[in-house]
Amino acid sequence: DVKVTQSSRYLVKRTGEKVFLECVQDMDHENMFWYRQDPGLGLRLIYFSYDVKMKEKGDIPEGYSVSREKKERFSLILESASTNQTSMYLCASSRTGKEVYGYTFGSGTRLTVV
Amino acid sequence: AQSVAQPEDQVNVAEGNPLTVKCTYSVSGNPYLFWYVQYPNRGLQFLLKYITGDNLVKGSYGFEAEFNKSQTSFHLKKPSALVSDSALYFCAVRDAAGYSTLTFGKGTMLLVSP
Repeated sequence: DVKVTQSSRYLVKRTGEKVFLECVQDMDHENMFWYRQDPGLGLRLIYFSYDVKMKEKGDIPEGYSVSREKKERFSLILESASTNQTSMYLCASSRTGKEVYGYTFGSGTRLTVV
Repeated sequence: AQSVAQPEDQVNVAEGNPLTVKCTYSVSGNPYLFWYVQYPNRGLQFLLKYITGDNLVKGSYGFEAEFNKSQTSFHLKKPSALVSDSALYFCAVRDAAGYSTLTFGKGTMLLVSP
């Protein structure tokens, strides 16, 4: 069964900490994405990557950075965590090709910043 | 810019009755449309997609969706609801021209009562 795996289901961090959220996919997908999900706001795109070492800003990149050193791994970094970054973070991946593919999502990481 | 509207925060239906979850979209060109479902504390699962062709698309778990270009809508439907269908449903769109990421709606909570 194909998978997108997020390393932590729940995280609690302190304000000002540097936080790493890890995502690994085993489907050899070219594209990877980070969304955050908040009640009433739906999913908002933070960053995405369509190739190794490539990254593009999404709709809400402020306060975040990403790293993609290997095709299967896409990391989201909160440089200095703040309470307004308390949220559910969802990683997704997709294939590039002639066919139109949807996204495969991980189970999410619920981050609380105190 | 592309966008999705899900006008209902919550839909309530009795088990055995038909259900509809509404979605309207806006893109500059032709749309690719998707429905996803999210169960509590889980990631999003793909239900179905519209790319081209028949306006009625069938997907997983007995769900279907009807594409209506003139009304720019892509409503999710099921003839007979189950209690286990209770979940959060997301509609998503991307422009068929070129490469763009998926834009998601805010989500609609479906509650099916016994």
